[in-house]
Amino acid sequence: ELKVEQNPLFLSMQEGKNYTIYCNYSTTSDRLYWYRQDPGKSLESLFVLLSNGAVKQEGRLMASLDTKARLSTLHITAAVHDLSATYFCAVRSSGGSYIPTFGRGTSLIVHP
Amino acid sequence: ETGVTQSPTHLIKTRGQQVTLRCSSQSGHNTVSWYQQALGQGPQFIFQYYREEENGRGNFPPRFSGLQFPNYSSELNVNALELDDSALYLCASTLQGSSYEQYFGPGTRLTVT
Repeated sequence: ELKVEQNPLFLSMQEGKNYTIYCNYSTTSDRLYWYRQDPGKSLESLFVLLSNGAVKQEGRLMASLDTKARLSTLHITAAVHDLSATYFCAVRSSGGSYIPTFGRGTSLIVHP
Repeated sequence: ETGVTQSPTHLIKTRGQQVTLRCSSQSGHNTVSWYQQALGQGPQFIFQYYREEENGRGNFPPRFSGLQFPNYSSELNVNALELDDSALYLCASTLQGSSYEQYFGPGTRLTVT
């Protein structure tokens, strides 16, 4: 059974600081997703990572994938208040179903 | 906007009742998945439909059932509601030929009392 662990689960940071959210998974995967969810809202797709060494950047967010270590990171650069949200990684195991398994999410609060 | 809509937005039901939630996808999105998201948790996969047939199911009992229709709409039915069924229910559709990226609807908040 595929297990996906995110850490930290809660993150409080000041504007302007950098931080990294980690996503570890337990079996081989052929794609990994990062989503953002605002309170009471649905999920917004941020990144889809398909191969080892993949790196994608959008604004102050950068995601990377290391399939050998079964690890993805979401790096936040110079955080701003608008980034406050919950971030989920979801992993689709290679072989078998196309259904992603989600982590528990990282709740990020950025303080002025 | 993802082009995926869900109805109703909010719903309150009593334990033991039955509920039907609806989802409408964009044309061409022939795969739809349903998720349950309890407060403070990540979405949990319920089941997936492809071309009107169920082709994957998570760890949910048979009282959770679904349908997918030719017009890219779908339903999630839950019988004999329990208090623990209170959650946000999300549908997500996938465009054939894409990198299996899922487009999520806004969700239905179900409260069971």
